[in-house]
Amino acid sequence: EIVVTQSPATLSVSPGERATLSCRASQSVSSNLAWYQQKPGQSPRLLIYGTSTRATGISARFSGSGSGTEFTLTISSLQSEDFAIYYCQQYNRWPPLFGQGTKVEIK
Amino acid sequence: EVQLLESGGGLVQPGGSLRLSCAASGFTFTSYALSWVRQGPGKGLEWVSSISDSGDSTFYADSVKGRFTISRDNYRDTLYLQMNSLRDEDAAVYYCAIPSYSSGWGYFDDWGQGTLVTVSS
Repeated sequence: EIVVTQSPATLSVSPGERATLSCRASQSVSSNLAWYQQKPGQSPRLLIYGTSTRATGISARFSGSGSGTEFTLTISSLQSEDFAIYYCQQYNRWPPLFGQGTKVEIK
Repeated sequence: EVQLLESGGGLVQPGGSLRLSCAASGFTFTSYALSWVRQGPGKGLEWVSSISDSGDSTFYADSVKGRFTISRDNYRDTLYLQMNSLRDEDAAVYYCAIPSYSSGWGYFDDWGQGTLVTVSS
């Protein structure tokens, strides 16, 4: 199976600053990588699929990049509503595995 | 608007059984695969099982294979997860989700609000 590893585990960022989250796959997943946001007590929400395509209704503050085994989610200017846990997920091969998450907290 | 409403969670003893349901609305049920994804307390997301749009194909995580059974009722627009021989590590919030491909594969577009399963004696 393809293991997905996220870093860092926690990212402390001030409002208005840029946040950069990383996701690494144990083998190539081509561009078959998605990102989700989860706030406390809420279900996950799809942000990005196909490495860089924003899901419906997702702000342009969120952008995804990468290919193969190295991927990045960038939040250009953090707003208060962006503080949450972010998960990446590969869907290139079964099983569809998630990373362990990166918590973005207020600095 | 897509709605997925899970139910059936609760407290069960180790070794016991539970059946989860997910009532769907707002989309053409028979055109979409469906999945269960769980999240243990304070933990990350774990894909559990998927079923194709027709119900002909099913897929399971190794951790639940042989103990859980996914099924769907395309007349009642409802997804099920029969969970047998439950273990402590099965305790989680179980989400119903729609994968992007009708075969049961892909990323997860829409999610329900989840139902909590607690395994304890």
